[in-house]
Amino acid sequence: DAGITQSPRYKITETGRQVTLMCHQTWSHSYMFWYRQDLGHGLRLIYYSAAADITDKGEVPDGYVVSRSKTENFPLTLESATRSQTSVYFCASAPANGELFFGEGSRLTVL
Amino acid sequence: AQSVTQLGSHVSVSEGALVLLRCNYSSSVPPYLFWYVQYPNQGLQLLLKYTTGATLVKGINGFEAEFKKSETSFHLTKPSAHMSDAAEYFCAVSEPYNTDKLIFGTGTRLQVFP
Repeated sequence: DAGITQSPRYKITETGRQVTLMCHQTWSHSYMFWYRQDLGHGLRLIYYSAAADITDKGEVPDGYVVSRSKTENFPLTLESATRSQTSVYFCASAPANGELFFGEGSRLTVL
Repeated sequence: AQSVTQLGSHVSVSEGALVLLRCNYSSSVPPYLFWYVQYPNQGLQLLLKYTTGATLVKGINGFEAEFKKSETSFHLTKPSAHMSDAAEYFCAVSEPYNTDKLIFGTGTRLQVFP
């Protein structure tokens, strides 16, 4: 089906473990984004990508790593998870200067 | 730098009443402005946007917003609330022609009572 999908939708992990959240879009949008949503902070941009092999930091990049080897995929990795990274993570995609389309979110709990 | 302030983290209205969600922005250049809605356990959906032209913008589900440059505001309204409007609403701002860098407000949760 066309759209943007995130996996897993729910994840519980422990402090210090590596976690990867996957994001896949079928529209061939050039831009992809990762946001985290926390109470009182709204959505904050972690990383974004303007095209394959091009990524850039957002507002809160520390502790996260991204890659974009293919246009349709934009995984987000927490190399050593911390409790402060407990959050809901949203992936989005957009054509250049176009509307953002969001995935349904990945709820991550770090114990 | 751009920023967005949403006044009121929670708003409650009765079904059929006017909905007014407030958004003020700060921008050194003429902004693009957006309202997104998030239903429970879902991602964000675009309700409406202002880029240029007419300052009163109509969106989906009967919502509209007016860009008021003198007040640096972009408040979201709906004449008559419906139970299905209960959700979280986010105002966002970007620079013109640079919508890949949206700055979001902290959100307003709308409750609708029967």
